[in-house]
Amino acid sequence: DSGVTQTPKHLITATGQRVTLRCSPRSGDLSVYWYQQSLDQGLQFLIQYYNGEERAKGNILERFSAQQFPDLHSELNLSSLELGDSALYFCASSVAYGRVYEQYFGPGTRLTVT
Amino acid sequence: AQSVTQLGSHVSVSEGALVLLRCNYSSSVPPYLFWYVQYPNQGLQLLLKYTSAATLVKGINGFEAEFKKSETSFHLTKPSAHMSDAAEYFCAVSEEEGGSYIPTFGRGTSLIVHP
Repeated sequence: DSGVTQTPKHLITATGQRVTLRCSPRSGDLSVYWYQQSLDQGLQFLIQYYNGEERAKGNILERFSAQQFPDLHSELNLSSLELGDSALYFCASSVAYGRVYEQYFGPGTRLTVT
Repeated sequence: AQSVTQLGSHVSVSEGALVLLRCNYSSSVPPYLFWYVQYPNQGLQLLLKYTSAATLVKGINGFEAEFKKSETSFHLTKPSAHMSDAAEYFCAVSEEEGGSYIPTFGRGTSLIVHP
């Protein structure tokens, strides 16, 4: 158990819908990362937050957005969903940024878009 | 720009045999390199990391990897495979960008261990 929790574990929804994935980092970790894992693209970095502020952005679509709240949990919002958005979405957390801190991964949310 | 190539999407070994998972990277600056393991229905777990100290890095579960700059490689090895090592293994490279170190992952290698 990494200490990172993600809800829900599974999500099935239809094209065009909007969903919210939630992540709680390890106690004491200030940095949160979101990744998408799919058969087509492999494991792709989406976005990083540190203490409520966006720190780095990867291959995140404009239809996707994220935020980190004062209690440090984070949410990833996916809208206008397409079949190709079906994937495993991982959240990871680390103590901070600016050095190579170990990232601790949650168990993931499996999103299926039908 | 950084990139990672993992040779072989599947590697099959017998229990007790040597495990060798290959990783080559491309980076414009001295990189930080990682190996992660992913067991079925779980998130990734860090096995080991290279951060410019010793070129031979020892990790958890008996794994180690050697950084070879001349070959731009960071292959993962384990002398004797166990059934419990069956999992997906990811190599990753990270460079500093805007104060953050975001890993770029390879496509992964599935390790199959036969009894």
